[in-house]
Amino acid sequence: DGGITQSPKYLFRKEGQNVTLSCEQNLNHDAMYWYRQDPGQGLRLIYYSQIVNDFQKGDIAEGYSVSREKKESFPLTVTSAQKNPTAFYLCASRRRGALNTGELFFGEGSRLTVL
Amino acid sequence: GNSVTQMEGPVTLSEEAFLTINCTYTATGYPSLFWYVQYPGEGLQLLLKATKADDKGSNKGFEATYRKETTSFHLEKGSVQVSDSAVYFCALSEGGEETSGSRLTFGEGTQLTVNP
Repeated sequence: DGGITQSPKYLFRKEGQNVTLSCEQNLNHDAMYWYRQDPGQGLRLIYYSQIVNDFQKGDIAEGYSVSREKKESFPLTVTSAQKNPTAFYLCASRRRGALNTGELFFGEGSRLTVL
Repeated sequence: GNSVTQMEGPVTLSEEAFLTINCTYTATGYPSLFWYVQYPGEGLQLLLKATKADDKGSNKGFEATYRKETTSFHLEKGSVQVSDSAVYFCALSEGGEETSGSRLTFGEGTQLTVNP
């Protein structure tokens, strides 16, 4: 079955450590996105990528980094520079040309907790 | 920039009650509008969508009509079930071209709890 796989589902990090969240999709989608979800704040866009080897900052990119070396993969690194990293992280993808239908397919999320 | 505003939650209803979750938007162009649903511990799923004014999106008994004159896209269901308990997000698509940074902007989400 096609879909988006995020891993790990739960992750604990000590302060000062970098962590990388994995996002893989087999939907042959061109565009991929990372959102952060905090209680009462909805979803905020961290980074997005519309094609391989290209990505753009979203609204809250500080303290995060991404890469897009393969179409299927869009990993997110939460660096030690992110001051409040505890959150639920959602990866999503969309097929090219679906802008106005706009449907995003989401993974099940990764919950990061900083100890 | 574009934005989406949803009614504050949480919303608690009894089974078979009528549901309305308000959503209004601000956009410079002609966005497409969406409702997503998130069940506990999961990612978001598209519930319904409308791509132009006066369109009505519908799915699983839920409906929403794209009202350009009031810039609204309110979600309704005539008779809710316990299984509808979830967080509901209103969203709009930005950008008219692939190269302009196409993405969705989400509202804050509304938690719905339906009691038996």
